[in-house]
Amino acid sequence: EPEVTQTPSHQVTQMGQEVILRCVPISNHLYFYWYRQILGQKVEFLVSFYNNEISEKSEIFDDQFSVERPDGSNFTLKIRSTKLEDSAMYFCASFRGAQETQYFGPGTRLLVL
Amino acid sequence: SQKIEQNSEALNIQEGKTATLTCNYTNYSPAYLQWYRQDPGRGPVFLLLIRENEKEKRKERLKVTFDTTLKQSLFHITASQPADSATYLCALDLGNYGQNFVFGPGTRLSVLP
Repeated sequence: EPEVTQTPSHQVTQMGQEVILRCVPISNHLYFYWYRQILGQKVEFLVSFYNNEISEKSEIFDDQFSVERPDGSNFTLKIRSTKLEDSAMYFCASFRGAQETQYFGPGTRLLVL
Repeated sequence: SQKIEQNSEALNIQEGKTATLTCNYTNYSPAYLQWYRQDPGRGPVFLLLIRENEKEKRKERLKVTFDTTLKQSLFHITASQPADSATYLCALDLGNYGQNFVFGPGTRLSVLP
């Protein structure tokens, strides 16, 4: 069965550093998402991406965040200058179309020191 | 304000019984609602989707109901097993055809042998 993959599985970084989280969505899917989940809290929507552009973003997704689909298969989330409060599990998801299911990746656990 | 609530943070039931989890929402008009299972440290896994014009959906031991008047969905697991122990999340599509999903906080279900 096709699956969403994410790398790295864990990332430790110093506050103020840039990080790039990578995802490979399912190949025939059209919509791509990033979510985050702070330990013990709920899954929070960050951004959705369709047709090579952001279609929706939440208040969390400020100027420090950006997304890119550089080569037609990878989907990346960049955090320009990480803060302590960015420590969380980051999930990528992909989705074929309306009223279908989202498939989530296994997540990247980001720890900002 | 917009809110999604799930009946309780944690629910303990005896093996073999039916678990019933509740998802209530206010000030949303979702086109459909989804239920996911999340195990510790893993990404959510899709279980069931129910559309606004459907009252009930079943899949094996799972049943979901959706009452748009009450703004409530019930999720039932019949003949529960210890392997059903996990956190269960409801998620709403905010009517933008998959561009923005909102997740509830989840209910942690423990099925005791």
